[in-house]
Amino acid sequence: EIVLTQSPGTLSLSPGERATLSCRASQSLSSVYLAWYQQKPGQAPRLLIFNASSRATGIPDRFSGSGSGTDFTLTISRLEPEDFAVYYCQQYGSSPYTFGQGTKLEIK
Amino acid sequence: QVQLVQSGAEVKNPGASVKVSCKVSGYSLIELSMVWVRQAPGIGLEWMGGFEDGEKIYAQKLQGRVTMTEDTSTDTAYMELSSLRSEDTALYYCAIGTYFFDSWGQGTLVTVSS
Repeated sequence: EIVLTQSPGTLSLSPGERATLSCRASQSLSSVYLAWYQQKPGQAPRLLIFNASSRATGIPDRFSGSGSGTDFTLTISRLEPEDFAVYYCQQYGSSPYTFGQGTKLEIK
Repeated sequence: QVQLVQSGAEVKNPGASVKVSCKVSGYSLIELSMVWVRQAPGIGLEWMGGFEDGEKIYAQKLQGRVTMTEDTSTDTAYMELSSLRSEDTALYYCAIGTYFFDSWGQGTLVTVSS
C-alpha cells in the first residue's frame, strides 16, 4: 500500500498570501496519478486537481498542482477567505487508492 | 449534473451489519463508476472499494466484510458492511469516479456502539 505523507500538518497564513502544500508518496506513482481535494467542516470533499496538475471543472485558476514520482505540490497563489479548509491528496497509481492525512489551512 | 443523495444516519450494535444507500439523479447509474470512502471522527479519508478494469474491488482490510451493489432500475447504489466494530464508526460517502472522485454524496454517519 502506498502511504502519502502531507506537510505541514497545519499552515497558518493570511488572505492574499501564497500557500504551498506538500504530498510525498512512499513509492513512486506509476504516472501522475495524484488528486487533491478540499474539505470544509460539515461538507464532503471537493475535487480540485487530478492527474497532478489538471484543474477540475469550476476550480479557480489560483489553484495549481505540480509534481511527479514521489513529490507533489498544491499551490494556492493568492488565498481567498473561502480557501481556509483541510486539503487532502490521494493517489490512484495502485489500489488501494490511499489518501494523505490532510493539511489544515487556517487563517493567521 | 449528477447528484448523490445518501440514506440517513444509523446506530448499530457491535457484530451487526449496516446497509447504506446512495441515490443517483441526473445520470443513469449504469453510466457511472461508484466508490465508497469513509472518514472516521478526526481522522482522514479511507477508500473502501470501487471499480478497476470494470471489476469491483475492495480494500484488503475490509475484504469479506464489505459488499457494494447497484440497483440500476432505481439508480441506487448500496454499501453493506458486516461484523461491525467500534472502529467502523465513521461518516460513509459514496462518490463518482474510478480513480479520482468528482461528485460526492452528503455522507451517512454510522455509529457502532453497545
